[in-house]
Amino acid sequence: QQQVKQSPQSLIVQKGGISIINCAYENTAFDYFPWYQQFPGKGPALLIAIRPDVSEKKEGRFTISFNKSAKQFSLHIMDSQPGDSATYFCAARDFNKFYFGSGTKLNVKP
Amino acid sequence: KAGVTQTPRYLIKTRGQQVTLSCSPISGHRSVSWYQQTPGQGLQFLFEYFSETQRNKGNFPGRFSGRQFSNSRSEMNVSTLELGDSALYLCASSSLAGAVNEQFFGPGTRLTVL
Repeated sequence: QQQVKQSPQSLIVQKGGISIINCAYENTAFDYFPWYQQFPGKGPALLIAIRPDVSEKKEGRFTISFNKSAKQFSLHIMDSQPGDSATYFCAARDFNKFYFGSGTKLNVKP
Repeated sequence: KAGVTQTPRYLIKTRGQQVTLSCSPISGHRSVSWYQQTPGQGLQFLFEYFSETQRNKGNFPGRFSGRQFSNSRSEMNVSTLELGDSALYLCASSSLAGAVNEQFFGPGTRLTVL
């Protein structure tokens, strides 16, 4: 059973556009929600993370929106660039275990 | 500071064989977690070690095992390999288990089982 459900599976965005990736969860014990970016041939790298007591966190062009009551969180990439083309994973932590979404392959067209 | 290193980067084995993968965490990090990444199942947690003790284990069969040494380096072993074990195996290190610290991932070991 997938603990964290991620959508869409793939996303095509024009350069300068906004990329939005969504995740949903059921386990209310999750206490930390990171997003990872993975380029081909590389391991995932932490992009931005949020705790459930915060509704929004922004770092540069990347923003996490968190809706605790709906058990949903999303990643917004503003002014998307071709260099953002990668696979993005949301994750959630319960104690020391991390559960990952299935990934979204983002393609930003020039 | 050197990142997480994993060796070997690529491995080809046949069914029934055994394999050992190695992970060296970032200096000073005591927690090492292992993940299996496949196109179908995504990233799945295998186990986590902290100070040479396994603290958490995912839902994988007993053929998957690991250990951590006093210098925090970790090894993962898979016995009696099956075709379905073909995957990218990632390890991640963090400075404190359970802390809200980011996990730093290594580049992974690509295992192919023929």
